[in-house]
Amino acid sequence: GAGVSQSPSNKVTEKGKDVELRCDPISGHTALYWYRQSLGQGLEFLIYFQGNSAPDKSGLPSDRFSAERTGGSVSTLTIQRTQQEDSAVYLCASSSTGLAEPEQYFGPGTRLTVT
Amino acid sequence: QKEVEQNSGPLSVPEGAIASLNCTYSDRGSQSFFWYRQYSGKSPELIMSIYSNGDKEDGRFTAQLNKASQYVSLLIRDSQPSDSATYLCASSSNTGKLIFGQGTTLQVKP
Repeated sequence: GAGVSQSPSNKVTEKGKDVELRCDPISGHTALYWYRQSLGQGLEFLIYFQGNSAPDKSGLPSDRFSAERTGGSVSTLTIQRTQQEDSAVYLCASSSTGLAEPEQYFGPGTRLTVT
Repeated sequence: QKEVEQNSGPLSVPEGAIASLNCTYSDRGSQSFFWYRQYSGKSPELIMSIYSNGDKEDGRFTAQLNKASQYVSLLIRDSQPSDSATYLCASSSNTGKLIFGQGTTLQVKP
C-alpha cells in the first residue's frame, strides 16, 4: 500500500517568511510524528499526534513552530518567521497505534532551505 | 537528558563479512528499540524492531537486546556493498516518540 507522503519535497524560502509542510500518513495509522534532521545532526523529535488526544509538543524548538492534524489524518507543520537555523530536512512518520505497535514509518521528507 | 549513543564510524567491513553495530541507551524506561537504515539523501527505513531481551533474526539481520546492560546491537551477516549506509539506533519509552542515536556509517568494500 501507499507509504507516508510529504509535500513539498524541497522548499526554499527567504528568512522571515512563513512555510507550511504537509504530511499524509499511511492509511489507518492513528499516530503521526514530526522530526527534523539538520546537516550532520541526528533526528530530533518535534511533535506527536495520537488519535484525538492532545498532541505532545515537547520537542518544538520555539513558538514559531506549530502543527495541526485535521480529521485524524493529514498534518501540517507551520514555521513562522523562518530563520536560517530552521534549514533542515523535516520528516514525518506514522505508526499504527503509537504505543501498542510503535514501529514508525517515515516519509521521504521535506528539505527546507532558508536563505 | 535521555540519550542513545552510537559510534559514528565509519565501520568498514569486506564484502561477505559480518558487520556489528552497537548502541547504548540511558533511559531505563525504554521499552522498544529500533534499527533504521538511511542511505545518503534518503529518509530512514525501518529494518528491525526488538522489544524483549535476547536475539531477533530477520534474514541477514539479527538484533540483540540486553536491558540490564542497556545495550542494543545489530548484526548484518554476509554484508553486501548495498548495505553501505548510515544505521540509526532508536529507543522509545511510553511516550511514543523515538530518541535517535547519531548513527553509524557502514562501508562494505567489494
